Amino acid sequence: DAGVIQSPRHEVTEMGQEVTLRCKPISGHDYLFWYRQTMMRGLELLIYFNNNVPIDDSGMPEDRFSAKMPNASFSTLKIQPSEPRDSAVYFCASSFGAGAQPQHFGDGTRLSIL
Amino acid sequence: GNSVTQMEGPVTLSEEAFLTINCTYTATGYPSLFWYVQYPGEGLQLLLKATKADDKGSNKGFEATYRKETTSFHLEKGSVQVSDSAVYFCALSGANTGFQKLVFGTGTRLLVSP
Repeated sequence: DAGVIQSPRHEVTEMGQEVTLRCKPISGHDYLFWYRQTMMRGLELLIYFNNNVPIDDSGMPEDRFSAKMPNASFSTLKIQPSEPRDSAVYFCASSFGAGAQPQHFGDGTRLSIL
Repeated sequence: GNSVTQMEGPVTLSEEAFLTINCTYTATGYPSLFWYVQYPGEGLQLLLKATKADDKGSNKGFEATYRKETTSFHLEKGSVQVSDSAVYFCALSGANTGFQKLVFGTGTRLLVSP
């Protein structure tokens, strides 16, 4: 079975440009999470969705970040305008059902803002 | 709020040595506890979990016991292999956030030499 699929795997762009990261969760999963991983701050939850509805976006760093989930099989995380401090690995994860269910992670997008 | 504290790495061992990675937590109520593993260039994978006090999670020779009295969930393996080299993350999810939100420790890098 296909796991969580993220694209692109690597993105290098200049400061000020718009960046869009994409995620396809595992089919049938009803929760989707976006995380950011850096050496300084570790793994941080940015936002999560349940049945395509954003539930908690308290981890989104600022208004430059936005996330959408137009349907059950696709989500985007957008940064506009991007800044060098946004450089990190961004992970998408999905899970099924309420309670302490395991989250399945994609392989991440390594983002570098020059 | 909920938090997880892990021992600093890297942990360097020879093949077949005994492994312990310490993890303690702070949380209200009775959280669920997890260990995730991250191999180079990949996302996190669930290694094991425990959802109530005195539960023991186990997988691939790894074990961890949920100790409510010491608020700990230490990871152990009797004989490590080179292929166990990775970063290990302790995490919790709590009832106060519907068990969906994971709070991660900073991760502990394990290096196993032949």
